[in-house]
Amino acid sequence: QQQVKQSPQSLIVQKGGISIINCAYENTAFDYFPWYQQFPGKGPALLIAIRPDVSEKKEGRFTISFNKSAKQFSLHIMDSQPGDSATYFCAARISGGYNKLIFGAGTRLAVHP
Amino acid sequence: EPEVTQTPSHQVTQMGQEVILRCVPISNHLYFYWYRQILGQKVEFLVSFYNNEISEKSEIFDDQFSVERPDGSNFTLKIRSTKLEDSAMYFCASREGTGEYEQYFGPGTRLTVT
Repeated sequence: QQQVKQSPQSLIVQKGGISIINCAYENTAFDYFPWYQQFPGKGPALLIAIRPDVSEKKEGRFTISFNKSAKQFSLHIMDSQPGDSATYFCAARISGGYNKLIFGAGTRLAVHP
Repeated sequence: EPEVTQTPSHQVTQMGQEVILRCVPISNHLYFYWYRQILGQKVEFLVSFYNNEISEKSEIFDDQFSVERPDGSNFTLKIRSTKLEDSAMYFCASREGTGEYEQYFGPGTRLTVT
């Protein structure tokens, strides 16, 4: 099953709060899980990525938590700022291929001041 | 910082017309991709290209679509006879090489078919 299920569809967080976006997958052949940030009218920008041999990766205020047994991964944005307001997509790559990415449906995040 | 560029930013065309969307990938990258995003929906894979040939394509990428790397820097997507449902944002992406998984996306071309 080449799907990545993403939730929630939209999220409102107060400035300084924690934003959490979740993704789940079925295909155990996925071996790389990036998160992309997209502002209106722009292309997706790679934010942070993880491979399944680690359970957590942190870059600044952004953390990916990965649960291989549950086939779930999530993005945490600490100290959320109004400038973080964007659409976030999780994605997954199938191992052994040419790096085709399967995207989740996206989460529209609004951080209110 | 190197980036993927795309032209034009917006293309309006009439149904049945041919369009060519252009991309300049990051210069030392070897793998190239086209994705599309219908307004408000998720990003969908169209095609991957490596070593001057298509390496993988989706069911969306039918005979109306073709890709080409006409020279050492450009990567193009051609839609031979556009349909209304081809209206979308088209993103080009590139990746450095084997073992490097990160794909970098361009700003996109908004295609409007009337």
